[in-house]
This record gives sequence, C-alpha cells and structure tokens, in this order.
Amino acid sequence: NAGVMQNPRHLVRRRGQEARLRCSPMKGHSHVYWYRQLPEEGLKFMVYLQKENIIDESGMPKERFSAEFPKEGPSILRIQQVVRGDSAAYFCASSQDGGPNTEAFFGQGTRLTVV
Amino acid sequence: GENVEQHPSTLSVQEGDSAVIKCTYSDSASNYFPWYKQELGKRPQLIIDIRSNVGEKKDQRIAVTLNKTAKHFSLHITETQPEDSAVYFCAASNPGGFKTIFGAGTRLFVKA
Repeated sequence: NAGVMQNPRHLVRRRGQEARLRCSPMKGHSHVYWYRQLPEEGLKFMVYLQKENIIDESGMPKERFSAEFPKEGPSILRIQQVVRGDSAAYFCASSQDGGPNTEAFFGQGTRLTVV
Repeated sequence: GENVEQHPSTLSVQEGDSAVIKCTYSDSASNYFPWYKQELGKRPQLIIDIRSNVGEKKDQRIAVTLNKTAKHFSLHITETQPEDSAVYFCAASNPGGFKTIFGAGTRLFVKA
C-alpha cells in the first residue's frame, strides 16, 4: 500500500508562470488536505477536499490559488502567476475519513522555487 | 480564528536528558491533538496523538499530557538520543476533523 504520493518533488518556476502540484492519496483515502510550509516555519492549512468537493478552503489565498480533487485522478493544487513569495514546501495529507480523531498521512512534499 | 502556540521554538538538550515541548490552543472545541516529527527535508510523521477524553498517553520514551481546562498539552521525551533531533509540531483538530491547526514548531537538538 503506497503512501501519499506527491509530484513533482521539486518544481522551479519563473515569476508569472503557473505551478501545478499533484497529490495521490493513500489507497482507500477520500479526504485530502493541502498545507504550505514556508522556510523555517510551521505548516499552514490551505484547503480540505473530498472527492469532487471543496469542504474548507479558508486557508487558501483569495487570488491565484485553486485546488481540485476530481472523481478520477490526483488532487491538484494550482498556483497561477507565481511570485517569489510562493516559494515554499507544499505538503499534501490524506485520511480515510474526515471524522474526528482521524490520523492524516503526509506526502513527501513538493518544493516550489520561484525564480 | 483558531490558533496553536508552541514553545520553545528551539530546544537544546544533552543526550540522556528529557525534553519538554508545550502547546496551547484557542478553540475549546478541539478534541484531537497529534504531534508530528519532521526531519530535515522530509515529511512530517505522526509520533503520538491524544484525544480529549484522555489526560495522558505514553509510548516508550514519548508521552503527551493534555489539560482541557487550561487548553494546553505537552510532549515529553525522556532519555533523549541524537536521532531525536528534528522539528516537532503540535496540532489541534476540531471535532469535524476538517482542519488541523499546527503550532510553529520546535527545533530540538540533542547533543551527544
């Protein structure tokens, strides 16, 4: 049973380009969470999704950021017109259900560098 | 909004000593408190968790305590080893499990 898979592991984009980060949850998991970790900082919640639904996006910046989790395929975090401040590690986590006391398993993260 | 504060930000101990990391949370509805260890360049990994109906939980050298009245919880590592060196994050999750709020992290150094 493979863990949470994120790709790419490293992504370099020039300012103004788009970044697409992919996350495949663990088998049997239908709940996905995205977190951003700035250098030397903690993990900040961005968005919580179930299949085809965004449940909570209160941590997402209002502009340029979007997320989806289609019926088939991985969850995608999309950042349009990237800026230097978007440089960070983006972690995805998945859980079997979204109920209370549910352990979330993290992927290896995607390290985005905007040059 | 919900907030989790974590102290200290950096902790340096001698091998064999104990290390204690403390967190406070603001959302009184929080009922699940996981702790994650993140080694340099790697993913956060769950090391222990505690639920609100329990005051203390222990797993070998690691223990966590929870005081719901005061809204704080702590991680205790005894007999520290160099491989315990990492960043540790506390977190609090609301009953719906929709959102987990993390503390800012504690960088633990264990000196051999």
